[in-house]
Parts: sequence; structure tokens; C-alpha cells
Amino acid sequence: DAGITQSPRHKVTETGTPVTLRCHQTENHRYMYWYRQDPGHGLRLIHYSYGVKDTDKGEVSDGYSVSRSKTEDFLLTLESATSSQTSVYFCAISERGRGEKLFFGSGTQLSVL
Amino acid sequence: QQQVKQSPQSLIVQKGGIPIINCAYENTAFDYFPWYQQFPGKGPALLIAIRPDVSEKKEGRFTISFNKSAKQFSLHIMDSQPGDSATYFCAASIPNSGYALNFGKGTSLLVTP
Repeated sequence: DAGITQSPRHKVTETGTPVTLRCHQTENHRYMYWYRQDPGHGLRLIHYSYGVKDTDKGEVSDGYSVSRSKTEDFLLTLESATSSQTSVYFCAISERGRGEKLFFGSGTQLSVL
Repeated sequence: QQQVKQSPQSLIVQKGGIPIINCAYENTAFDYFPWYQQFPGKGPALLIAIRPDVSEKKEGRFTISFNKSAKQFSLHIMDSQPGDSATYFCAASIPNSGYALNFGKGTSLLVTP
């Protein structure tokens, strides 16, 4: 999957606990994105990064934070997980931005009980 | 709010048929319109994309038709095969949002033998 690794692949956690998902790329691409996928909603952007320490919010950013301290790593943190954050989370990378050629990871299935 | 509206939600065609998936948008700032294909358990993968300066683009059995004045675009799959059974997402990107993609809600396509 274009040198993208998401970890963990599956996680079950309890309401109120913090959770961190990791996206690691080996492509040295500048742009990285976190999306969540839910039935009936398609893919919705949570946060994105356009460089090291440069991040911005997407359309569903409430309850999430991100960090990018290195080009290759983009972390998504659920500060206090809620059942509404049960979802499949996808990381994507892009070399040139402009929405072009996003490569997606295999996803993380997160269940918040 | 969904910036890209996709229809139908699901579609069943026989092998050899030509499924057509439609998308509509309102924001005239969108300047890149890709289609992604997703198989179960996998991340979406870029299938084909178009920019608004052309009205049609073909890649193999996949064709995008683009109508700028109507703010609509569609995906046609010629000579569809059972292996084309997947979920298809249309998307659009805006230059001033980190070039993140806005996705439609997806169409589940089943091609029967």
C-alpha cells in the first residue's frame, strides 16, 4: 500500500480512555491525512498535515488531535474516546497535494465500548 | 454538510452491463475530481481522475464524463466484470484546504455473473 503502515490494525477500548493511532510512511510525501469511514457517511476528513508540525482541521475534527514531529509519522489522538468514534480510520499520503493521487493505508478498526 | 452528492447508494448489474454512478457538487472552486475504488477490508485506491478543463477521460474500461455547467460528473464502467464489484467513491478537492479530498458517500456495486 504505497509504503503506508497504520497501527494498530484493530483496537477495542473503553469510553473515556485516550487512544493514539499511528500512520507511518516510507515515501517521504509531504501531505498526510486522517479520514474516518462510517456506513452512510463515506470518508470524512478529520485532520491533515502539509508538513512537519503543520496541521489543520478537517470537517469532523472535534474530539481529535494530531501531531507530526517527523515527515514519516502522523499521529491521531482521541483525547477521551466516545462510542461515536467507533469507526474505521484511514491514513492517506500525497506527494504533491492538490488532492492528487492520495494513497491510503489499510485502515484501523476502532471500537469504543 | 456533504459537498459532493453521490448516487445511487447501491447498484446491481449483470456481467457485461454498463453501471453508471453519478456525482454532483456545488462549490465551483473544486478543481480536481477523482474516483476511488474500495474492496472490503482495504483502503480506497485511485481509479481515474479528471480536471474541469476536459469533458471526458477514459482509462481502460473506466470513463469519467464531466459536465462543468451542470456541476456533475459520472463514472461509467464498460463491459463490467464480477471483479469490479466494490464500493466506488467520487471526490473533489479545493486548492485552499490542504488539497484534502471531499468524498461522496459511496456506491456499492455488485456485478453478477
